[in-house]
Amino acid sequence: DTGVSQNPRHKITKRGQNVTFRCDPISEHNRLYWYRQTLGQGPEFLTYFQNEAQLEKSRLLSDRFSAERPKGSFSTLEIQRTEQGDSAMYLCASSLATNQPQHFGDGTRLSIL
Amino acid sequence: AQSVTQLGSHVSVSEGALVLLRCNYSSSVPPYLFWYVQYPNQGLQLLLKYTSAATLVKGINGFEAEFKKSETSFHLTKPSAHMSDAAEYFCAVSGGLNQGGKLIFGQGTELSVKP
Repeated sequence: DTGVSQNPRHKITKRGQNVTFRCDPISEHNRLYWYRQTLGQGPEFLTYFQNEAQLEKSRLLSDRFSAERPKGSFSTLEIQRTEQGDSAMYLCASSLATNQPQHFGDGTRLSIL
Repeated sequence: AQSVTQLGSHVSVSEGALVLLRCNYSSSVPPYLFWYVQYPNQGLQLLLKYTSAATLVKGINGFEAEFKKSETSFHLTKPSAHMSDAAEYFCAVSGGLNQGGKLIFGQGTELSVKP
């Protein structure tokens, strides 16, 4: 069990640029979740996958956000035309099944200049 | 809809004192409840989980939590605080089988431990 890995750890970009984050879940976990956490708040759900299928997207996930999980392995989260309000910590988690504990990565901190 | 309320955004205790972090939940279905801890610039680490078995749940690092259905509470306790317990603590409820198991988090409680 090597844990959930997220890259990069930090991303600084100018407003209007596109960014992409990667998450590598624990290998046998078929569920993968993305959350967003702003300063002083708890994480908020964005989307989740069961294997390669994206089964739910939060209303927080605007059209500028897209997530993929090709072949049910790693996942990417892309933000197009970044805005100041996108500055946050983006957390990825994986689990074996519904209602099983989710294991979190260390997150990607996004800063928009 | 499910929700979680953590009473007290900041709790301060002395080293060796009792730690009590409060969590109340709202759920229309039997809930799965979790406590996570987050250290600065890190992800969340699972402390313990309630999954409808024993109402008193023991977790890592000496923490435990008691599920009280009548009070819709799941408070986290530790008999004796240690300096290394200083961190942010989050209570979460699972969205249930028909919601894919997504977690709904409280706003967090920052625990400070004074020497």
